[in-house]
Amino acid sequence: EIVLTQSPGTLSLSPGERATLSCRARQTISRNYLAWYQQKPGQAPRLLIYGASSRATGIPDRFSGSVSGTDFTLTISRLEPEDFAMYYCQKYDKSPLTFGGGTRVEIK
Amino acid sequence: EVQLLESGGGLVQPGGSLRLSCAASGFTFSAYAMSWVRQAPGEGLEWVSLIRYTGVDTYYADSVKGRFTISRDNSKNTLYLQMNGLRAEDTAIYYCAKTHNNGWVSDYWGQGTLVTVSS
Repeated sequence: EIVLTQSPGTLSLSPGERATLSCRARQTISRNYLAWYQQKPGQAPRLLIYGASSRATGIPDRFSGSVSGTDFTLTISRLEPEDFAMYYCQKYDKSPLTFGGGTRVEIK
Repeated sequence: EVQLLESGGGLVQPGGSLRLSCAASGFTFSAYAMSWVRQAPGEGLEWVSLIRYTGVDTYYADSVKGRFTISRDNSKNTLYLQMNGLRAEDTAIYYCAKTHNNGWVSDYWGQGTLVTVSS
């Protein structure tokens, strides 16, 4: 089973700053089938990025994803107030469709 | 507009059973695989199960294998999760999610239904 390790656990930043979130897999994920989700308190998760770098429908272009080997990165170029939330990565190439432990982006 | 509406959650004693339902609308339900994902109070997301669009192939997390059964009725646009042998650690919000047409990523989610396992 592939384990996904997200870091940091918490990211404290100010609006307008750049956020860089990491998701590291222990093994190769086929076809880079790695997704990023955003979740706010009391809400269901929302898909941001799939295929490591493709934005989901309606997602602003300040969100971007990239990959280098087994290291995946979600970048928020300039944080808006509504971006402060939890972020999860998930592999979806094959079962089990494991999630990472999450990164909280909080207001500094 | 894609809509997913879960129901069937509630309070159940350890060892008990519960069946969750997810009513889907706004898309061709029979064409997409569907997933269940859960989230324990204050914890992260945990994938539970997935069923292919035909309903023939199913997949489970090790934590629920042998106790939970995913199924679907494409004529009713409804997804199910039969949960038997419930444990305290199964307490969570259970979300159903539609998969994308490019792999099993979950592109639309319901609002979830809370399952509490307690005596």
